[in-house]
Amino acid sequence: GEDVEQSLFLSVREGDSSVINCTYTDSSSTYLYWYKQEPGAGLQLLTYIFSNMDMKQDQRLTVLLNKKDKHLSLRIADTQTGDSAIYFCAEEGGGYQKVTFGTGTKLQVIP
Amino acid sequence: NAGVTQTPKFQVLKTGQSMTLQCAQDMNHEYMSWYRQDPGMGLRLIHYSVGAGITDQGEVPNGYNVSRSTTEDFPLRLLSAAPSQTSVYFCASSSTGRNTGELFFGEGSRLTVL
Repeated sequence: GEDVEQSLFLSVREGDSSVINCTYTDSSSTYLYWYKQEPGAGLQLLTYIFSNMDMKQDQRLTVLLNKKDKHLSLRIADTQTGDSAIYFCAEEGGGYQKVTFGTGTKLQVIP
Repeated sequence: NAGVTQTPKFQVLKTGQSMTLQCAQDMNHEYMSWYRQDPGMGLRLIHYSVGAGITDQGEVPNGYNVSRSTTEDFPLRLLSAAPSQTSVYFCASSSTGRNTGELFFGEGSRLTVL
């Protein structure tokens, strides 16, 4: 079945860049996603990348996709304290609109 | 817009009790799903539905029932609660049209089974 893996924790200093990594298993995924979960809230879509793209940039966010290695990364430039949250990698695969989530990476931004 | 609404936000049950977590969406989304979130395990899919009258099992369906009588509502039933069902439950919905498949989540329901 599908499996999405992430490291559990990342700590960075305010102003530095954060890079959150993810590996996935379903090579037939159409979309790969990054969701953000703030404390006590549900998940919200942060950004996504279509499977035929290598990179997507959206303001401070850069998503890199290596399909050969099934590796997805999210880079946050100039990380701010408001970026502290749990970030989930997710892939759409394994059936109609079934989305599989990773374990989530908790990003701690140190002022 | 209300989006996806879940009730209750918090619930404490005793082992063996039953309850229903409610989920409603006002975006006319065809697809609805339930996930549970546990520390270190991310979100796991319990059940999902692609339209009224249609439901299917996800990764961890045991101990849970669902029904989809209307487009708007997708309740999750625990027939006989167990401590292993202590978790945070999220309902999510999505349009099945040609789009990015973005899931819209409720704020979650925190369930404790004693």
